[in-house]
Amino acid sequence: SQTIHQWPATLVQPVGSPLSLECTVEGTSNPNLYWYRQAAGRGLQLLFYSVGIGQISSEVPQNLSASRPQDRQFILSSKKLLLSDSGFYLCAWSVGRLDTQYFGPGTRLTVL
Amino acid sequence: GQQLNQSPQSMFIQEGEDVSMNCTSSSIFNTWLWYKQDPGEGPVLLIALYKAGELTSNGRLTAQFGITRKDSFLNISASIPSDVGIYFCAGRTLPTANFGNEKLTFGTGTRLTIIP
Repeated sequence: SQTIHQWPATLVQPVGSPLSLECTVEGTSNPNLYWYRQAAGRGLQLLFYSVGIGQISSEVPQNLSASRPQDRQFILSSKKLLLSDSGFYLCAWSVGRLDTQYFGPGTRLTVL
Repeated sequence: GQQLNQSPQSMFIQEGEDVSMNCTSSSIFNTWLWYKQDPGEGPVLLIALYKAGELTSNGRLTAQFGITRKDSFLNISASIPSDVGIYFCAGRTLPTANFGNEKLTFGTGTRLTIIP
């Protein structure tokens, strides 16, 4: 069966510091991968999605970037965090032409 | 871009009551998904709908894909304390030249609270 992992689970970082969040998927090949951000009590905002290694599509302008160095690894990064980057970051995967996305446990990021 | 209007935004009910929430769109969707999110966790898929008019159940949950393809509803019967959480609808429109097939549009969520 497929599983999705995210780490770290929680992170507290000062403004201006770098960021690296990691997401990995097990049990499937060539998944579509997604990064979402969820502000407190709000809906899901799609940040990036990837249909293959090295293929990244950005949905909104921001100081975040994403990379996919391996088939089942998706990384969210920033060189300098802003206060507004605080939130709950969710990674998700889907396979092929299917629309159903499955979410990871999330990373709670607090920027102080 | 596409928008999904989800209502109500929040619900306060007593244990045992039935719950109904819905999502509407100005665009035609060809897939509707319903997720539940517990505090501090990722959303979990409840029901997936792929055909207009489709009615699907998962235990006490029932969801329908509207015949116009522009709406969907989720019903929960005889609510229990573990039903508390935020429910999200999500959908995918027909692909266009500027839209990836793989992206979903999410509703803003319905927060369900059970009053003791």
